[in-house]
Amino acid sequence: EAQVTQNPRYLITVTGKKLTVTCSQNMNHEYMSWYRQDPGLGLRQIYYSMNVEVTDKGDVPEGYKVSRKEKRNFPLILESPSPNQTSLYFCASTTRITDTQYFGPGTRLTVL
Amino acid sequence: GIQVEQSPPDLILQEGANSTLRCNFSDSVNNLQWFHQNPWGQLINLFYIPSGTKQNGRLSATTVATERYSLLYISSSQTTDSGVYFCAGSGGYQKVTFGTGTKLQVIP
Repeated sequence: EAQVTQNPRYLITVTGKKLTVTCSQNMNHEYMSWYRQDPGLGLRQIYYSMNVEVTDKGDVPEGYKVSRKEKRNFPLILESPSPNQTSLYFCASTTRITDTQYFGPGTRLTVL
Repeated sequence: GIQVEQSPPDLILQEGANSTLRCNFSDSVNNLQWFHQNPWGQLINLFYIPSGTKQNGRLSATTVATERYSLLYISSSQTTDSGVYFCAGSGGYQKVTFGTGTKLQVIP
């Protein structure tokens, strides 16, 4: 089954404790993205990747890191989480041709 | 960057009614999509429609790229259509901008 998976689905942590949210897709997509969703603001792109070892900043990259060492995986790293990073996070992947985006199920992060 | 404006922000429909959702872009986009987020938070791609018209069952979408807007039509609405509808686009590569969404509630 074609899908984008994220782990964990829910996470409660404390300020400053490094964390990683994993994202994996099995569709051989080249393009992957991370978004955060906050009430009233829609989805905002954090980082995107056009291929292995090729990443670029979206609209809200501050406080986040990403890496793309393998085509299927695109982890999101919060080196020192803060309460303003409490949000719902989505990973997405797309084909090169149609650019239809497929979204993961989301990760709800709470930083205390 | 590109600004995306969606209207209306909220919509309540009686089951069986039709509706039109609108998405305006501040600049040309080459990668326009419509999504539905169901009440459980899942995001589903509805249409990839940089221009023209597409239909999928009771849903259809039209994009007029030269005038920088897109419309999503929902006919004979059902309670399962409830949720938030987003449009999104990018001017190039994969830097994507979403609108703030239209929250739809369909009541029996």
